[in-house]
Amino acid sequence: SSELTQDPAVSVALGQTVRITCQGDSLTRYYAIWYQQKPGQAPVFVIYGKNNRPSGIPDRFSGSSSGNTASLTITGAQAEDEADYYCNSRDSRTNHLVFGGGTKLTVL
Amino acid sequence: QVQLQESGPGLVKPSETLSLTCTVSGGSITGYYWSWIRQPPGKGLEWIAYVYYTGTTNYNPSLRSRVTISVDTSKNQFSLKLSSVTAADTAVYYCARTPKTTLNFNYYYYMDVWGKGTTVTVSS
Repeated sequence: SSELTQDPAVSVALGQTVRITCQGDSLTRYYAIWYQQKPGQAPVFVIYGKNNRPSGIPDRFSGSSSGNTASLTITGAQAEDEADYYCNSRDSRTNHLVFGGGTKLTVL
Repeated sequence: QVQLQESGPGLVKPSETLSLTCTVSGGSITGYYWSWIRQPPGKGLEWIAYVYYTGTTNYNPSLRSRVTISVDTSKNQFSLKLSSVTAADTAVYYCARTPKTTLNFNYYYYMDVWGKGTTVTVSS
């Protein structure tokens, strides 16, 4: 199966570290790709792999993977990190792409 | 820098065909994959399809029977057609540049540039 499962909501205190997880069979083979979406805006590409970030994405965002679970870690969360986060991967056989259901991050 | 702009009708009647175009500016459509993604109101993202600049395509199996994606390199555009629409197809539709890259002997498709999205409502 190429489905990806995310917790619907996660919260973190300002300046603390938070981990957003994504589970799926494809993640035993591939790193997840992560996107951030703020209300009313298009998604923004955040990271793939451990630290492959586009320019403009702070290095407080990092990725990791263990077994069938991928994680996006925000070290020292800022108020502007409050957003929905989506993981993304592909089916190894068909190359079909799939998104997780999304995690709403609240920064307290 | 590269910018993408979706265009098309904002209102489509049930059973008709939804047609959208994504215009790429500030860069060439050549050399990349290009995707359509949608987001129903209050819900998550759903990948619809991607097309390579050569015309090679790949579709979400849940939509495959109703979707056609195509590319026009002469116009620097790619397009989406979704037939037999219902209210369930009401969503914000995004287009995105989708580079293919390699990491640790595996390849990845990621969406690095997105359009602002266009809202399509299916209603009579």
